[in-house]
Amino acid sequence: AQTVTQSQPEMSVQEAETVTLSCTYDTSESDYYLFWYKQPPSRQMILVIRQEAYKQQNATENRFSVNFQKAAKSFSLKISDSQLGDAAMYFCAYRSNQGGSEKLVFGKGMKLTVNP
Amino acid sequence: DTGVSQDPRHKITKRGQNVTFRCDPISEHNRLYWYRQTLGQGPEFLTYFQNEAQLEKSRLLSDRFSAERPKGSFSTLEIQRTEQGDSAMYLCASSLNGHSYEQYFGPGTRLTVT
Repeated sequence: AQTVTQSQPEMSVQEAETVTLSCTYDTSESDYYLFWYKQPPSRQMILVIRQEAYKQQNATENRFSVNFQKAAKSFSLKISDSQLGDAAMYFCAYRSNQGGSEKLVFGKGMKLTVNP
Repeated sequence: DTGVSQDPRHKITKRGQNVTFRCDPISEHNRLYWYRQTLGQGPEFLTYFQNEAQLEKSRLLSDRFSAERPKGSFSTLEIQRTEQGDSAMYLCASSLNGHSYEQYFGPGTRLTVT
């Protein structure tokens, strides 16, 4: 079974600075997707960024980018120019692209605080 | 608003009672997923549907839990004989077949069993 580990339960960053959230995962599969989801307080979860395992190029979405290290099974999220609205719980998630399962496997999450 | 909606947003019930939650997915999405999120944890997968067919169920989904999607549109999740351990946020998500595999989440139903 696949597992996702987020070892840092909380982090804080100053507004306008850069922060990196770490995630590791365990799988024996070669074809899969990785995601970072954001869950603001009392609001619904939204997708921040997605990475396909077969792509060597790291995904980027505006201020958000990932460092995908397939051999190390590491998938970190970098947030540049942090904004107050980035404060939220961040979840790393895995989805297989083999065997038909479509479930997302989530880590425990990390609470990000942005200080003004 | 064309996002995923869930009803009710909050439910307080006494142990032993039955509860039912509803999820309305984004209209053109044919896949619908249920997850459970307890305090301090990430969401855990419960089950998912492709149209009206329930294709996968987690071992977390005990005999007291049942989910349906009778017409391939909205879905219901019923918990019978609730227990205090059922207290959690129940999240619904939907996705469009073959499109980037992104799951769009609803706001969740928070269940408290007293």
